[in-house]
Amino acid sequence: AQSVTQPDIHITVSEGASLELRCNYSYGATPYLFWYVQSPGQGLQLLLKYFSGDTLVQGIKGFEAEFKRSQSSFNLRKPSVHWSDAAEYFCAVVDTGNQFYFGTGTSLTVIP
Amino acid sequence: GAVVSQHPSWVICKSGTSVKIECRSLDFQATTMFWYRQFPKQSLMLMATSNEGSKATYEQGVEKDKFLINHASLTLSTLTVTSAHPEDSSFYICSARAGVPYNEQFFGPGTRLTVL
Repeated sequence: AQSVTQPDIHITVSEGASLELRCNYSYGATPYLFWYVQSPGQGLQLLLKYFSGDTLVQGIKGFEAEFKRSQSSFNLRKPSVHWSDAAEYFCAVVDTGNQFYFGTGTSLTVIP
Repeated sequence: GAVVSQHPSWVICKSGTSVKIECRSLDFQATTMFWYRQFPKQSLMLMATSNEGSKATYEQGVEKDKFLINHASLTLSTLTVTSAHPEDSSFYICSARAGVPYNEQFFGPGTRLTVL
């Protein structure tokens, strides 16, 4: 069965520091992978997505993610975090039936 | 990009009443819409999938008589929480997808339901 694991429930970083949020998936075929960000009380905003091709994907707000098939991972990175990046981040995989499977989310706190 | 709206953005109701939440795809036709529920500090849980003109498919454990879903047109799906109780208080998010084969889902901003 498809599943997504985000091992880090909560991460705290200082403003200006680099960030990496981990995501591991379980899926038999080539996955479609997504990262979403959710601010408190808001819906989901798509940061980036991977369907095929280049395994390093660039997204909005300076985020990028790298698909590593051998590690079944799709980690999200940002070289320099801004205070406005504080939010909840969700990784998701889509199966051939086009159903989304979300991870449990990682809450990011940014220290000034 | 494709935009999905939800109305209302938040609603407070008394226990026992029914509440309707609308989900609209503003600039595309959505053959399939999805309804999710999200509890505080938790991930999104798929409640049901609705295809235009047909009955919704509910996930295991979701009461179809309590959460009525109607997808009457290619741009509108509604979720009605019937006889709401405090435990139904949650954040409800819809998403919409246009066509097959795979097309990206676009998420609405969510509706906060509080049942007193």
